[in-house]
Amino acid sequence: SQKIEQNSEALNIQEGKTATLTCNYTNYSPAYLQWYRQDPGRGPVFLLLIRENEKEKRKERLKVTFDTTLKQSLFHITASQPADSATYLCALRVGTYKYIFGTGTRLKVLA
Amino acid sequence: GAVVSQHPSWVICKSGTSVKIECRSLDFQATTMFWYRQFPKQSLMLMATSNEGSKATYEQGVEKDKFLINHASLTLSTLTVTSAHPEDSSFYICSARPGKRANEQYFGPGTRLTVT
Repeated sequence: SQKIEQNSEALNIQEGKTATLTCNYTNYSPAYLQWYRQDPGRGPVFLLLIRENEKEKRKERLKVTFDTTLKQSLFHITASQPADSATYLCALRVGTYKYIFGTGTRLKVLA
Repeated sequence: GAVVSQHPSWVICKSGTSVKIECRSLDFQATTMFWYRQFPKQSLMLMATSNEGSKATYEQGVEKDKFLINHASLTLSTLTVTSAHPEDSSFYICSARPGKRANEQYFGPGTRLTVT
C-alpha cells in the first residue's frame, strides 16, 4: 500500500541546535515534494518545494534534501528557535497538482 | 500576498442540518481549490479538487452528495456539509493554487465544525 511516514513522536531539541525531520514514503514516485508548517488550529503554511531532480534546496535557515532512491526527504532547521516549534508536514505530489500529506512531526524547541 | 480566507472559523450545528463553509483567495485568482479534512493528531485528508466552472473531483470514499462543492468564481469555493452528523465533526481546510502551473498551494486558516 502507499504510505508516507513521518516521526509520530514529538521531537524536542535545544535552542540553537539543528532540527532534522524525516519523511519516508513507499510506493510513490513523486515528481515534487513539499514541506509545510502547521500551528495548532491553523492551516498549513508552505515552506519549501523540491523537485525529483534536485538533491537539496535551501531557504534561509531551512534545508530540504530529497533522495528518490531511498524514498526519503530530510528537513533541517538550523539555529533553531522556540518560535520554530510547530508541526511540520511533508506532502508528495501524486497527481496533477494533487498532494498527499504525511501525519506530521511535532517539533518543540526548548529555550 | 497569496492569502486565503475561510468563513466561518468555527461553527456548531445540530445533527441533520446543513453547513456551508466559504473559501476565498483574497489577492490572487485560484484556478484550483482543494478541500481537506483533518481529525485530531491526524494528517490532512484530501476530500476533493475543485476547478472553477466545472464539477469537483472527489476522492475515493468521500460522498459527493453529502459534501457539496461549488467553485463559482476564480476566488471563491464553497463546501456544504449536508445533513451533518456528529461523525462529520472535524477541521475543514481549503487551499488554493495560484495559476495553472503553480505547484505550491496556499491554505486557509481552517473551519472547526462541531455537530451536536
